[in-house]
Amino acid sequence: EVQLVDSGGGLLQPGGSLRLSCAASGFTFRSYWMSWVRQAPGKGLEWVANIKQDGSEKYFVDSVKGRFTISRDNAENSLYLQMNSLRVEDTAVYYCAREGAYCTNGVCYTHYMDVWGRGTTVTVSS
Amino acid sequence: EIVMTQSPATLSVSPGERATLSCRASQSVSSNLAWYQQKPGQAPRLLIYGASTRATGIPARFSGSGSGTEFTLTISSLQSEDYAVYYCQQYNNWPPVTFGQGTKLEIK
Repeated sequence: EVQLVDSGGGLLQPGGSLRLSCAASGFTFRSYWMSWVRQAPGKGLEWVANIKQDGSEKYFVDSVKGRFTISRDNAENSLYLQMNSLRVEDTAVYYCAREGAYCTNGVCYTHYMDVWGRGTTVTVSS
Repeated sequence: EIVMTQSPATLSVSPGERATLSCRASQSVSSNLAWYQQKPGQAPRLLIYGASTRATGIPARFSGSGSGTEFTLTISSLQSEDYAVYYCQQYNNWPPVTFGQGTKLEIK
């Protein structure tokens, strides 16, 4: 069974740090781009960051640049999100997601989310 | 950044009837658009990618159409389990990939 299990959330004060983890199973983890997507309470979905299969490319939404880092360990089938200098507005459920991929007419496309973890809750509050 | 706008914000439809949800992009995203379903307390689930291709295990009553800037998700005959929030997402111009704000489909 294809599965993502995200963990590491918690309650912390502004300015704090937290590391989220995502354990992947049931698929060849090293073959996929991976993303983190968050959802603030009562709000919609917001893409946060993603990382290429070999970790050579990483991208972030502007609001977290310089504060969050994304990494992966393909030997351990794991994805991570290191969050520093946390703000109240970072409060959200954070989802780990696999990016699906398909090719048509010789062109390949990715960066949509075909498998999601259950989410881990991060609350930043004083 | 491409802005995705979904309409309506809330849609009330009776069971067995057809539901039509719209998504508009601020500039062309070709066919690089996905639809997700999210139920309360659950993670989103991929329904459609490539604007019109159903994901694995998605019932045939879900269909997607459109290209460029205008997209539609149609649910042909609503079942009780279809009442949820639906999001569109473009992946043509990234980063960032961007989501619409969601349409809540409720029972009429």
